[in-house]
Amino acid sequence: DSGVTQTPKHLITATGQRVTLRCSPRSGDLSVYWYQQSLDQGLQFLIQYYNGEERAKGNILERFSAQQFPDLHSELNLSSLELGDSALYFCASSVAGGQNTGELFFGEGSRLTVL
Amino acid sequence: GENVEQHPSTLSVQEGDSAVIKCTYSDSASNYFPWYKQELGKGPQLIIDIRSNVGEKKDQRIAVTLNKTAKHFSLHITETQPEDSAVYFCAASKTSGTYKYIFGTGTRLKVLA
Repeated sequence: DSGVTQTPKHLITATGQRVTLRCSPRSGDLSVYWYQQSLDQGLQFLIQYYNGEERAKGNILERFSAQQFPDLHSELNLSSLELGDSALYFCASSVAGGQNTGELFFGEGSRLTVL
Repeated sequence: GENVEQHPSTLSVQEGDSAVIKCTYSDSASNYFPWYKQELGKGPQLIIDIRSNVGEKKDQRIAVTLNKTAKHFSLHITETQPEDSAVYFCAASKTSGTYKYIFGTGTRLKVLA
């Protein structure tokens, strides 16, 4: 158990809909990362937050948005869903976010299926 | 932008043989290179990492080498066992400025008993 909690584990929805994925980082971790893993694909970096502020952005679509709340949990919002958004979405957390890169601790992912 | 290439995409070895996975990175400012193992149905988990001030690091049956000049690093698994079968990801990151943790495309390792 990595200590990172993601909900829901599975989600099935229709095209055009909007969903919210939630992540609770390990206790004490200030950084949260979001990654998308499509079938047989690698881990595509979406966005990183550190202590409530956006720190780095990857190939995140404009239809997607995220935020990190004062209690450090994070949410990834996916809107106007398309079939191609079907993927496994991982959240990871780490203590660091600034000057000291360190290990990422991954949750078990949220599997999104868009029909 | 930053990019990490990983080869091979799949690798099958006989139990007891060695496995080598190679990665190259594009951002010369990268100075932290971790390797993650992802088992079926689980999130990736760190197995070993190396920083740019070190050329090689070992931990039991696994080792990582880094060539900063050529911008590539490799994972070596010796005496492979069936439980080593998984997807392995390399990553590159840096410790200053814009902070991105970029992963390679993954290698599916199968250890044949």
